[in-house]
Formats: sequence, structure tokens, C-alpha cells
Amino acid sequence: KAGVTQTPRYLIKTRGQQVTLSCSPISGHRSVSWYQQTPGQGLQFLFEYFSETQRNKGNFPGRFSGRQFSNSRSEMNVSTLELGDSALYLCASSWASGAYEQYFGPGTRLTVT
Amino acid sequence: EDQVTQSPEALRLQEGESSSLNCSYTVSGLRGLFWYRQDPGKGPEFLFTLYSAGEEKEKERLKATLTKKESFLHITAPKPEDSATYLCAVQAEGGGGTSYGKLTFGQGTILTVHP
Repeated sequence: KAGVTQTPRYLIKTRGQQVTLSCSPISGHRSVSWYQQTPGQGLQFLFEYFSETQRNKGNFPGRFSGRQFSNSRSEMNVSTLELGDSALYLCASSWASGAYEQYFGPGTRLTVT
Repeated sequence: EDQVTQSPEALRLQEGESSSLNCSYTVSGLRGLFWYRQDPGKGPEFLFTLYSAGEEKEKERLKATLTKKESFLHITAPKPEDSATYLCAVQAEGGGGTSYGKLTFGQGTILTVHP
């Protein structure tokens, strides 16, 4: 069974630009969660989507948004990039939103200059 | 607010030297506790889920246990390939959907096993 895939793997953007990251979950998984990982803050929850609906959101500004498509693939968007947005963005999929294990993709390394 | 604290921050072992990693948590109600392993430049790899105090899970040289306040990851006779960052995370019982899909992670324990 194929794992979670994320594209692109690496991105370099300039302050003020926007970026879109993509995540394809494991086949059959309907829940997709997004996390930001930085050396200082560790892994922090951004939001979760299930059946094309955002069901939960972490403490991040409105510049961070996402969506999920009918095939469960998900995208997250960051507008007006700031230097502090440089991080590893991880997507995780699960078959449902409950206390079920989440399987992570390899991440997208975003560098903002 | 849900909190997860892992100790030690870093642990260096000789090959074959068994030890334990600690994960202390504070949540209003625990729905599940998860252990992951993360190698440099990669996403976390799922290891175990624990749901209730007294539960234990094993996989090769790893054994995870759970009490009402903490979890331990015991590593028996580790090998150099066990070197990685081990992450602990909790999912809380939140009202109004506040727990949906949300894992709260600790900062991790960096394990180095020397041959």
C-alpha cells in the first residue's frame, strides 16, 4: 500500500509570496491533518480535514488555510509568507478523526528568504 | 491546555545497553497516546497506540507502557539502527470537535546508539 505523499519536497520562497503544498493520503484514508515542525516549537497542529470539511484548527493565523477534495487529497496554502514560516510542513492521514494512528508523509521543507 | 513533556532530551547508549524514555502528559481526558520515530529529514513513523492505563505494546526491541500520567518506551538491547528521535503525542477528549485529528506532541528524545 502506498504511503502518504507530499509535493513538492522542497520550496524556496520570498517574503510576501504565497505557497501551496499538496498531500495525497493513503488510499482509503479520509482524514488529513497538517502540522508545522520547527526546531524551536516542535510539531504543532495546523488543521484537520475530513470528508472535505475542516473539523479542527490549531492556533495559527488566518494566513494558513487548507482544503480537501472529494478524493481526500488535501492542499494547504500560506499567504503573505514571513521568515518565521520557514519549517517542515507535514501531512498525516488516518482513516477517521478519532484516536486512530496517523501516518505521516515525508514533509515539504519550506524556506522563506 | 494539553501538555506533553519528554525526558531526557537526549540519550546516548552503547549497543546492547537497555534503557527507557519517558513521556509525561496532562490532558483533560486521554483518547489515545502515540509513539513515533523520526529519522533526520523524514516524517514521523508510527510505532504504537496506547489507550488505557496498564496497556502495553511490543515491537521488536521496543515496548511501550501507559499509566494515568505517563508513558514509557523501553528499548531492550538497542542497535545503532535504533538511533532516531522518538516522539510522544496525545489526542485528548475535546468537546465540540476540538480534538478532531489533533495530536499534541512532546519535544522528543534524541536517541544515539553507539556500536
